[in-house]
Parts: sequence; C-alpha cells; structure tokens
Amino acid sequence: AQTVTQSQPEMSVQEAETVTLSCTYDTSENNYYLFWYKQPPSRQMILVIRQEAYKQQNATENRFSVNFQKAAKSFSLKISDSQLGDTAMYFCAFMKIKGGGADGLTFGKGTHLIIQP
Amino acid sequence: GAVVSQHPSRVICKSGTSVKIECRSLDFQATTMFWYRQFPKQSLMLMATSNEGSKATYEQGVEKDKFLINHASLTLSTLTVTSAHPEDSSFYICSARDFVRGYEQFFGPGTRLTVL
Repeated sequence: AQTVTQSQPEMSVQEAETVTLSCTYDTSENNYYLFWYKQPPSRQMILVIRQEAYKQQNATENRFSVNFQKAAKSFSLKISDSQLGDTAMYFCAFMKIKGGGADGLTFGKGTHLIIQP
Repeated sequence: GAVVSQHPSRVICKSGTSVKIECRSLDFQATTMFWYRQFPKQSLMLMATSNEGSKATYEQGVEKDKFLINHASLTLSTLTVTSAHPEDSSFYICSARDFVRGYEQFFGPGTRLTVL
C-alpha cells in the first residue's frame, strides 16, 4: 500500500508571494501518477497539476509548478504570484497505474493555504 | 467537457433509513467510477471502485453490505447507504474516469449526508 504525507497542516502567505507546499509519498510501485488538487470552500475538487512518474521533466501549469524528486519520493507544489483565489485546501494524491487501468487516489491529509491581502 | 454531477447535493435522513446518491458523467462515458468519503476537516478516503457492469471493489474496512454500489451504465453509478446511522454522516464524493481521456479522474460536487 502507498502512503502520502503532507506535513504542513496550514500555511499563510501574503498576496503575490511565492509559496511551496510539501508532499512526500511511499510506494514500491514504479508506474504511477502524482496530482495536486485544490478544494475551495465549495468543496469541489479541482485538479491543479499532474505528474507522470516516468517523466523526468517537472510539470508546469501557468503559476503552478512541481518539484518531482522520484528517488526521494518527494512532490512539492510551488505557487508563484499567489492570488486571493488560491486560498483553499490543497491535497497531494497518488495513483497507481496497473495494466490498462488505474486504482483510485490515495490522498494526503491536506494543507490549508491562506493568501492574505 | 468532463462534467460529473451528483444528486442530491445534500440529504438529511432519519436513523435506520436508506439513502441513495447518484453520480452521473454528463458528457463522457465513465468506464470507472470511484466513491470517496470526507469527514469534516479531513482528507478524502477511497471507499470503492466500480467498473461498468461489474461488481464494485471495496477498500479494506468498508462494509459492502452497508454501502451498496451499482454501476449499471457508462454514465451512472449509485451509492446506497443502507440502514444509515449518525456515524455515516459525512461528505460523499464521486469521481469518474474515461480511459479514452487517460488516467485523470473528474470529480462530482459531492453530497452532504446528515443522519439524525
């Protein structure tokens, strides 16, 4: 079984600052995906960014980027130029790929990110 | 595209009754659907995985007789909480995957269940 650890229950930064959320995971699998999801107060899960384990290049989506260190089993999320709308719970998630399908997601406990005006 | 709906968005029921929650993929065919449970201020926990036309696969510790899952079509999965009790009160979220689109899961907006 795999585990996902987010060691920062809550973080607070000023608007326009850069913030990094940490995530580590433990698995014996070699074929998997990693995700960061955002859950605002509406509780709708929103995909922020995805990383395929077989890709060495770190994923980037506009202001969001990851630092994927496969050997260290680390997957941190960097948010640049933070905005008030980034305030939300952020969950790191792991998905094992198997055959032609995939398992469900294993989530970390989440980090509550607060962007201060 | 890739919209998933859930109905109802919230439900209150009496202890001992059964409640059905629907999860629909509106603009794609969901070969696999997942059901998650989220307690207040906690993370999402995978309850079960269902493939269209097959029996659901439950995670360890999830009572299959209490949480009945049916995935009868490529656009609909249902979760029935049978003989609900106050400890079943939670936020239930479904997600759907279409193998054509890859491995991404698309989440529904969730259903808040309160058992009195």
